Amino acid sequence: EVQLVESGGGLVQPGGSLRLSCAAFGFTFSGHWMSWVRQAPGKGLEWVANIKPDGSAKHYVDSLKGRFTISRDNAKNSLFLQMNSLTAEDTAAYYCARDWSDGLQNPIDYWGQGILVTVSS
Amino acid sequence: DIQMTQSPSTLSTSVGDRVTITCRASQSISSWLAWYQQKPGKAPKLLIQKASSLESGVPSRFSGSGSGTEFTLTISSLQPDDSATYYCQQYSTGFRTFGQGTKVEIK
Repeated sequence: EVQLVESGGGLVQPGGSLRLSCAAFGFTFSGHWMSWVRQAPGKGLEWVANIKPDGSAKHYVDSLKGRFTISRDNAKNSLFLQMNSLTAEDTAAYYCARDWSDGLQNPIDYWGQGILVTVSS
Repeated sequence: DIQMTQSPSTLSTSVGDRVTITCRASQSISSWLAWYQQKPGKAPKLLIQKASSLESGVPSRFSGSGSGTEFTLTISSLQPDDSATYYCQQYSTGFRTFGQGTKVEIK
């Protein structure tokens, strides 16, 4: 059974940093593009970033302005999101998500349960 | 970036009604479009990929159509369990975007 389990969320002060982790189970992690998607309270889904199976290509939503970095460790079946210079606008549930296959053009087919990041003083 | 515009934002309709949600892309995305259903407090669920391909286990009352820049999600006969928010997402390039969502309420 495919499982994606996020960790590392919580309360952080404006300007601070946080590193989210996602542990993957039940599938060949190194065979899939992986993404982070976030959802602010009461708002819609926002795609944040994705990373190629071998880590050699990454894409980010323009609005992040280089503050977030996606990475992965295929040996540990883990996905990461390093978030710097956080602002209140980054407050959201962050979802780890798996693309359907190893090609670029595939939808997300599995999602984690989401983890809350709250940026507040 | 490719922008995705969904309409309507909300709709309130009755059990048994036919429901149509539209998604427009700011440029052609061929058929690289997915539809998701999200219920409160839950992760989204993939319903349709490649504009019209129904995922295994998804009821046949759901269907998708379109290509290029205009897409629709249709629920042929709305059921109580279909009360949710629906999102389209383009995956034409590595830079993905979601529509803003359509909340479907049961009268």
